[in-house]
Order: sequence, then C-alpha cells, then structure tokens
Amino acid sequence: GESVGLHLPTLSVQEGDNSIINCAYSNSASDYFIWYKQESGKGPQFIIDIRSNMDKRQGQRVTVLLNKTVKHLSLQIAATQPGDSAVYFCAENVNAGGTSYGKLTFGQGTILTVHP
Amino acid sequence: DARVTQTPRHKVTEMGQEVTMRCQPILGHNTVFWYRQTMMQGLELLAYFRNRAPLDDSGMPKDRFSAEMPDATLATLKIQPSEPRDSAVYFCASGLSRGAGRVYEQYFGPGTRLTVT
Repeated sequence: GESVGLHLPTLSVQEGDNSIINCAYSNSASDYFIWYKQESGKGPQFIIDIRSNMDKRQGQRVTVLLNKTVKHLSLQIAATQPGDSAVYFCAENVNAGGTSYGKLTFGQGTILTVHP
Repeated sequence: DARVTQTPRHKVTEMGQEVTMRCQPILGHNTVFWYRQTMMQGLELLAYFRNRAPLDDSGMPKDRFSAEMPDATLATLKIQPSEPRDSAVYFCASGLSRGAGRVYEQYFGPGTRLTVT
C-alpha cells in the first residue's frame, strides 16, 4: 500500500552550481540556529550555526543567512559537489533558560541532489 | 577521531518485547541527547541529560520508555513493551555545555534502526 510520510522539498543542481536551501522557522523567540547534513544511513552532521545577533556567517563553501524579520534561514553551498547530496535540516533553539538550552527543534529537511 | 557510538545498529523485535539501545558519548562531553526519526514526524527530541542527570524527558512516552545514564560513558534508552509504532531510527547525540548553558554543537551517532513487528 501507499506509505504516508513527510514530503520533503527537493533541490536538484548540477555539479559546480551554487545551491540555496531555505528554512522557515517557527518561534520568534529562537536565538540560535544550526544547519545539519544527513547522508543516507548516517546521523545528522553539524555544518554551521548562527546566533540571532548576526545576519550572516560564512564557513568553508557554506554561508548561512538569517532574516529575523520574516523568520527565515538559508544555507548557501558554493560550487556544489556530488558529495554534498544529502538531506539538509535547519534547527532552532529558544533562549528560555533552564532546560531549554538543550532543545533543538528540527525542520522537516530538504533533499539536495547533485548531478555530475 | 572522537565519535558517538551506538549499539545495536539494527534491531528487529516482536511487539511486546523489551528493547535496549546503548550510546557511548564522546569522552569529555557532559550532555547526552536521545532523538527519534520517522518519516511521519521527522527528528524529535525524546530526552536529554547533563552530567548524567535527566534534564528533560518531555518528548518521551513515559509509560513505556525510559532513559538512563549509568555512568558518564554509557547512556541507555529502553522500551518495554515495544509496539510497532515505535519503529524508527533512534539517535544519540552528545555535546559540551559550559555551566548551565547551551550546547552549541551536538555530535550525532549513527543511529539504531528499530523495527517492531
């Protein structure tokens, strides 16, 4: 029978292109955001993070942009490679003190496929 | 290369059986998280510990799930009795929290894929 589950957004790009993955977060009180990459059969892997007092942060081939006004986060990957093919998740954390510091809320994810 | 390890990697069991999943956090990390990933719900936090003490288990079904840290090198997640709806991939993650503050990087293990028939 047909399986019911999340229908993840997908992005297909050619090798060498730049990729932009978007994420809308839910809580205006969130002040810390992270992007994770998950390859098939593996656990999520930390890529880059950003705090709410910043609009942009750059890493190696990756840039995260934060727009708090519209609660939007994006991950830009430069010169995308086949090895970048994976599911990408954004996650947010709310600064509510106490035990909140451990609570990450993950987005549904975006499937990135890079064609050689 | 420090990594979070999880055992078993795969587990198939029958409904009603007890399941125990184990996690060895990265040495020196003081915060351990348990997550569950399904196609329907995505990645959800079940529980987490700091310095072996449970801080939050609000995401965990209390009647059948339990999480413990017998020592700093071992975290366990137990399901008793298991049900088909528990089928999922269970991830452990660890990180370092300074004082009572935020863990800025969580390092995930490879997961335990649980199938309950």
